[in-house]
Amino acid sequence: AQSVAQPEDQVNVAEGNPLTVKCTYSVSGNPYLFWYVQYPNRGLQFLLKYITGDNLVKGSYGFEAEFNKSQTSFHLKKPSALVSDSALYFCAVRAAGKLIFGQGTTLQVKP
Amino acid sequence: GAGVSQSPSNKVTEKGKDVELRCDPISGHTALYWYRQSLGQGLEFLIYFQGNSAPDKSGLPSDRFSAERTGGSVSTLTIQRTQQEDSAVYLCASSLARGDRLAEQYFGPGTRLTVT
Repeated sequence: AQSVAQPEDQVNVAEGNPLTVKCTYSVSGNPYLFWYVQYPNRGLQFLLKYITGDNLVKGSYGFEAEFNKSQTSFHLKKPSALVSDSALYFCAVRAAGKLIFGQGTTLQVKP
Repeated sequence: GAGVSQSPSNKVTEKGKDVELRCDPISGHTALYWYRQSLGQGLEFLIYFQGNSAPDKSGLPSDRFSAERTGGSVSTLTIQRTQQEDSAVYLCASSLARGDRLAEQYFGPGTRLTVT
């Protein structure tokens, strides 16, 4: 069965520092991976996706993610965090048309 | 352009009542999805409509849940005889599908359902 794991419930980082939000996946076949962000009282917003090609995917708001097939990981990264990046982040894998989400990671960026 | 819209934004209902939640997808999007977000279960898939194909209902938690999509556009999720465990935020999403089956899904703001 397809699944996604986000091992950290919360990540804390100081503004200006680099951030990483971890995601690992388990799929049969080629993985189609996504990152979404959810700000308080708002719906999910698409950040980026990996379908094929370059292992480093660039997305919205300066975020990027690195696909690592051998480690079955798709970690979200940003070189310099902003306080406004504080939100709930979801990793997802597409399976039979629908998205299967990880449990979510709360990112707290402190000034 | 307009995004995915959902109504109502909030719904409070008594246990045992039926509720209907509405989703208007982005114009031209042939695929429509319903998900549920709750504290204990995270984000769960409920149902997926793709064009004129039979919907994928594999995520519906019980036969009290049903959904329809009329005319390939608006969708209604119906929960009959609501229970307290149905309390959650119900999210709708749509995506392009034909010719781009791996397109990202665009989510609406959700309907927060509270069953008292």
